[in-house]
Amino acid sequence: GAGVSQSPSNKVTEKGKDVELRCDPISGHTALYWYRQSLGQGLEFLIYFQGNSAPDKSGLPSDRFSAERTGGSVSTLTIQRTQQEDSAVYLCASSLGWGRTTDTQYFGPGTRLTVL
Amino acid sequence: ILNVEQSPQSLHVQEGDSTNFTCSFPSSNFYALHWYRWETAKSPEALFVMTLNGDEKKKGRISATLNTKEGYSYLYIKGSQPEDSATYLCASSGGYQKVTFGTGTKLQVIP
Repeated sequence: GAGVSQSPSNKVTEKGKDVELRCDPISGHTALYWYRQSLGQGLEFLIYFQGNSAPDKSGLPSDRFSAERTGGSVSTLTIQRTQQEDSAVYLCASSLGWGRTTDTQYFGPGTRLTVL
Repeated sequence: ILNVEQSPQSLHVQEGDSTNFTCSFPSSNFYALHWYRWETAKSPEALFVMTLNGDEKKKGRISATLNTKEGYSYLYIKGSQPEDSATYLCASSGGYQKVTFGTGTKLQVIP
């Protein structure tokens, strides 16, 4: 079946512009995560959605970052007034469940964001 | 909040050598431990998931063990090959908290 998809695959933007990154999780997966990898760094957690529960936003680096998940499926990560330090690969992952689960996370191909 | 730590951060081994690295995690409220392989320019892919103390999983030359009482897991690679070069991530889940990833061990196998 179809895996996790993300769009766009690459995004180049100018400092100060807003960007939207999209994630389509695997159908039926209730958990959705956003991560980012900055150059030379590891996997940084950003935000987590589980079903209809309030999202865990504890990883968002500033109030310029926000995310929505509509209808428990597609998610959009929005970065307002982008800064050069926002340049990174943004990864989305989904899994069947959360917490007390052995469910594997399935990752999308990522969106490479470059802020000039 | 789960705090998952991995060591070493990076290592270089010669082709044919065997190697291992460590993931430590809080043992309270533990439920499952995952290992992922993350190759450059690709997305992380799952290797193993383990839940029980003493669990051991194997896939080809790669194996992993789990000690839930003391809160650690080892990943072993036997006879390393250049294609094993990647970052190896572990992730722990427990209670009703989100899955938490460690920062990874970056392995480079030198031909």
